[in-house]
Amino acid sequence: AQRVTQPEKLLSVFKGAPVELKCNYSYSGSPELFWYVQYSRQRLQLLLRHISRESIKGFTADLNKGETSFHLKKPFAQEEDSAMYYCALLSGSEKLVFGKGTKLTVNP
Amino acid sequence: EAEVAQSPRYKITEKSQAVAFWCDPISGHATLYWYRQILGQGPELLVQFQDESVVDDSQLPKDRFSAERLKGVDSTLKIQPAELGDSAMYLCASSSTRGGRADTQYFGPGTRLTVL
Repeated sequence: AQRVTQPEKLLSVFKGAPVELKCNYSYSGSPELFWYVQYSRQRLQLLLRHISRESIKGFTADLNKGETSFHLKKPFAQEEDSAMYYCALLSGSEKLVFGKGTKLTVNP
Repeated sequence: EAEVAQSPRYKITEKSQAVAFWCDPISGHATLYWYRQILGQGPELLVQFQDESVVDDSQLPKDRFSAERLKGVDSTLKIQPAELGDSAMYLCASSSTRGGRADTQYFGPGTRLTVL
């Protein structure tokens, strides 16, 4: 069964500190993984996908198949990064399976 | 920039009543999804359309929920009768196709349903 686990419901850091949002997955095939973000009063939007290997807003995420992880990282958090972050896995049937989300708060 | 539209944004209803939500995907997007997001959880897929055909409705409670996309463009999700446990955010998303697979999903603002 496909499953995405985000172990931290809440994460709080200070501005300028590094941040890492954890994501682990369970999938028997070759996974395609995503991070979605939802800022306050905005719609859910794609932050990045592992196949594009790009850095968006300073965030990066590396797929580690050995550890079945896709952690999201940023070296220096900004206040505007405060949001809900969802890790998601695309199954073979093109169905997105989401984790429960992590609420990131960046304090001044 | 084109966006997925949903209406209404908020709906309050009493249990046993019927409710309907509407979604207009980004023009040209063949794939349309309806998700339900319960407070504190991530979105869960209810139904997926490819053009006007249902591709996956395995998680749709078919005794009370129905969805249609008659002309392969906009879509309606209906609940009849509504139950207290249906209170949630209902999200619509759409995607184009690239290389034979659905591309990035773009989400609408959602309809927040409260069942009293």
